[in-house]
Amino acid sequence: EAQVTQNPRYLITVTGKKLTVTCSQNMNHEYMSWYRQDPGLGLRQIYYSMNVEVTDKGDVPEGYKVSRKEKRNFPLILESPSPNQTSLYFCASRNRPYSNQPQHFGDGTRLSIL
Amino acid sequence: DAKTTQPTSMDCAEGRAANLPCNHSTISGNEYVYWYRQIHSQGPQYIIHGLKNNETNEMASLIITEDRKSSTLILPHATLRDTAVYYCIVSASYSGAGSYQLTFGKGTKLSVIP
Repeated sequence: EAQVTQNPRYLITVTGKKLTVTCSQNMNHEYMSWYRQDPGLGLRQIYYSMNVEVTDKGDVPEGYKVSRKEKRNFPLILESPSPNQTSLYFCASRNRPYSNQPQHFGDGTRLSIL
Repeated sequence: DAKTTQPTSMDCAEGRAANLPCNHSTISGNEYVYWYRQIHSQGPQYIIHGLKNNETNEMASLIITEDRKSSTLILPHATLRDTAVYYCIVSASYSGAGSYQLTFGKGTKLSVIP
């Protein structure tokens, strides 16, 4: 089944403790992206990747890092998490950056930073 | 990307067709209309998309007006599981430099009533 898989689905942690949210897709998609969703603010893009080793900042990249060493994986790294990064996070992928095909989303990761 | 306008909320009786309107009067020629829905806090689920012709798939139909300034998503036989927030998004398949992020507005909260 074609899907975008995120792990963990839920995480409660403390300020400053590095964490990684993994994202994997099995559709051989070139384009991958991370969003965060906050009440009243909708979904905002954090980082995106056009292909392996090609990443760029979205609208709200501060406090986050990403890497794209393999096509299928696009982990989101919080080096020193802070409470303002408490949010619902979604990973998405699309076959190619320049395409009319839709982006497909994972089920989400709910992070709580205490 | 062009801005979209949707009603804040709608009700639909179970088993009836749900017709969700979207206004996108500033749409450009290369922009597609995408519909997604989000059930509670799950990942946005792709429903359907189109450029100018009407489209139908196993989930829904998309009717785009001839001038492309508005569209309607039709769920032919709404069920309780269709209760969700529905987002109409306009996005180009190619826009030169850009993140290809999807801009989710506030959407329409559809409540399917028994």
